[in-house]
Amino acid sequence: KQEVTQIPAALSVPEGENLVLNCSFTDSAIYNLQWFRQDPGKGLTSLLLIQSSQREQTSGRLNASLDKSSGRSTLYIAASQPGDSATYLCAASNNAGNMLTFGGGTRLMVKP
Amino acid sequence: GAGVSQSPSNKVTEKGKDVELRCDPISGHTALYWYRQSLGQGLEFLIYFQGNSAPDKSGLPSDRFSAERTGGSVSTLTIQRTQQEDSAVYLCASSRARTGGETQYFGPGTRLLVL
Repeated sequence: KQEVTQIPAALSVPEGENLVLNCSFTDSAIYNLQWFRQDPGKGLTSLLLIQSSQREQTSGRLNASLDKSSGRSTLYIAASQPGDSATYLCAASNNAGNMLTFGGGTRLMVKP
Repeated sequence: GAGVSQSPSNKVTEKGKDVELRCDPISGHTALYWYRQSLGQGLEFLIYFQGNSAPDKSGLPSDRFSAERTGGSVSTLTIQRTQQEDSAVYLCASSRARTGGETQYFGPGTRLLVL
């Protein structure tokens, strides 16, 4: 059974800092890995999806990497802004049905 | 275009009552997923549909939970004889196909509180 872990559970940084969020998974036979953002009381917004054959994906100030052999993914946020404050979730897809197994999330606070 | 919508946004019910939660996926998306987000368990998979069929019901926590999808579109998640531990946010997602390369798009969720 796939298990996904995110460290740290919470992070507080000053505005402008570059930061890295970590995600690890136990079963490397993944189809893809997705990073989501969740604002309080809201649903999930997809940020990046990395296919199993890819090593990284970029969107604006966000860069996600994937290392299947070590069971790790990282989300890099450049020049953080207060608007980046949210919970970031990673999720791994392990089967053709694309059912996602989620980590517990990292709550990010970017202080002005 | 319109995203995934869910109704109601909030539901308060008494223990033992039945509830129905509705999900309208993005038009043209063939795959639909239900997840539950609770304080103690995080986000967990419940069931997914490919078209109107549900190949994987492994995540349903008990036989009080059931779901259906009609016309390859709207889905309803039904919880019978609700218990307090059913209190959670129920999230629906859809994707263009069930293959592993597709992004899942999530609705805003239904917040269920069982008193």
